Amino acid sequence: DVKVTQSSRYLVKRTGEKVFLECVQDMDHENMFWYRQDPGLGLRLIYFSYDVKMKEKGDIPEGYSVSREKKERFSLILESASTNQTSMYLCASSPRLRVETQYFGPGTRLLVL
Amino acid sequence: AQSVTQLGSHVSVSEGALVLLRCNYSSSVPPYLFWYVQYPNQGLQLLLKYTTGATLVKGINGFEAEFKKSETSFHLTKPSAHMSDAAEYFCAVSDRAGGYQKVTFGTGTKLQVIP
Repeated sequence: DVKVTQSSRYLVKRTGEKVFLECVQDMDHENMFWYRQDPGLGLRLIYFSYDVKMKEKGDIPEGYSVSREKKERFSLILESASTNQTSMYLCASSPRLRVETQYFGPGTRLLVL
Repeated sequence: AQSVTQLGSHVSVSEGALVLLRCNYSSSVPPYLFWYVQYPNQGLQLLLKYTTGATLVKGINGFEAEFKKSETSFHLTKPSAHMSDAAEYFCAVSDRAGGYQKVTFGTGTKLQVIP
C-alpha cells in the first residue's frame, strides 16, 4: 500500500525557532512536494523536488527552505518561525512522469506562538 | 497561468440527494483536471482525473465529473449522497510550467450531508 508519512501530526513552536518538518515516502517516487493549507486559500505549493538534491520554488517559498538528500525523504525547514507560518503542512509525492497523481501524507498542523 | 475556481466554500445536501460541486478552470493549454477529497484529519486522496479521451470520467465512491471545454468547467456529481461523503473537496488543474508539470488547487468546498 502506498504510503507517505510525516514526522509529526501536531507541532507547537515559538517565534524565531528553527523548525524541521520531515516527510518520507515508500513508493520510490522521484517527485516530492510541500504545500501549506489554509482555510479559504486551499493548497499552496511551497517547494517541490524532482530528484535527489534538486529543488524548485513553488508559489510561496519565502521563509522556507528544503532539503532532499535521499530519494525517499523531503524536509521542509522554517529557518526562523513566525506566527504567520501557523498552518497545516502537507507533503506529497508522485512518479516522475505523473505529477498530476499525487499521494499525500496526513499533514502536520503547526502552531507558532 | 492556470487557475481553478470552486463556487461555494460550503455545500449542504440531504442524505440521498444529488451532490453537485462546481469547478471552473483557466488554462492556456489543454488541461489535466482532477478532483481530490480530504476527510477530516487526513491528507488528500485522488477522487478522479481527466487527461484526454472521454469527457465523462468516473471515480471512486460513485462520483463522476464531466469536462466541458466550451464552459471551461469540470463539475463533480454524485446521484445520491451518503453520510460518509462529508469531506472537503478540491478541484485541481495541471499544465506544463517551466518544463515541469505543476498542479494548482482550488480553495476547496466543504460538503455537509444532513441526515
